[in-house]
Amino acid sequence: GQQVMQIPQYQHVQEGEDFTTYCNSSTTLSNIQWYKQRPGGHPVFLIQLVKSGEVKKQKRLTFQFGEAKKNSSLHITATQTTDVGTYFCAGYSGGSNYKLTFGKGTLLTVNP
Amino acid sequence: KAGVTQTPRYLIKTRGQQVTLSCSPISGHRSVSWYQQTPGQGLQFLFEYFSETQRNKGNFPGRFSGRQFSNSRSEMNVSTLELGDSALYLCASSLVGRGTGELFFGEGSRLTVL
Repeated sequence: GQQVMQIPQYQHVQEGEDFTTYCNSSTTLSNIQWYKQRPGGHPVFLIQLVKSGEVKKQKRLTFQFGEAKKNSSLHITATQTTDVGTYFCAGYSGGSNYKLTFGKGTLLTVNP
Repeated sequence: KAGVTQTPRYLIKTRGQQVTLSCSPISGHRSVSWYQQTPGQGLQFLFEYFSETQRNKGNFPGRFSGRQFSNSRSEMNVSTLELGDSALYLCASSLVGRGTGELFFGEGSRLTVL
């Protein structure tokens, strides 16, 4: 079945440093979504990417969808302590399989 | 607009018991998905319901079941609980599901099996 791998599993940075998490799918995706889960909280939707090569920005966050629609990345510029949490990617491969497959997430910690 | 509501928030059960968890989606959302979250495995898809029909099911044993009512509220049931069922169970609603569009998650039901 479809697998979504996410690296790194953990990332610790100093406040102000940049951060990137990568997501790779074993199959071509129709779309990919990104979620953030704060410690003790629930996942919150950040963005959905649909088009090959798509790049979207949300303030300090930049999301990319690969040309082959099998990989994606989330880059945070100048991290802040409010960025702490686990970032998940979730891919949908289309067809009648109506489920999102989540990566295991990247836990980001930020040292002030 | 009220968010996704899950009850109970916390519960403790013993092995062999069964448990029923409830999820009330955002008003107007017809798709409800359930996920199991554990530290080692991340978010594992359990099943998705749309208009009272199960559209997809993840790779979980038959002890895990669910249903959706005409008002879109959903329940999941786990029978013959095992220690490994201890997890955070998350419900997510969306307008149409089908793997596209934003999922709105509830706070989750944290199940501990002793």
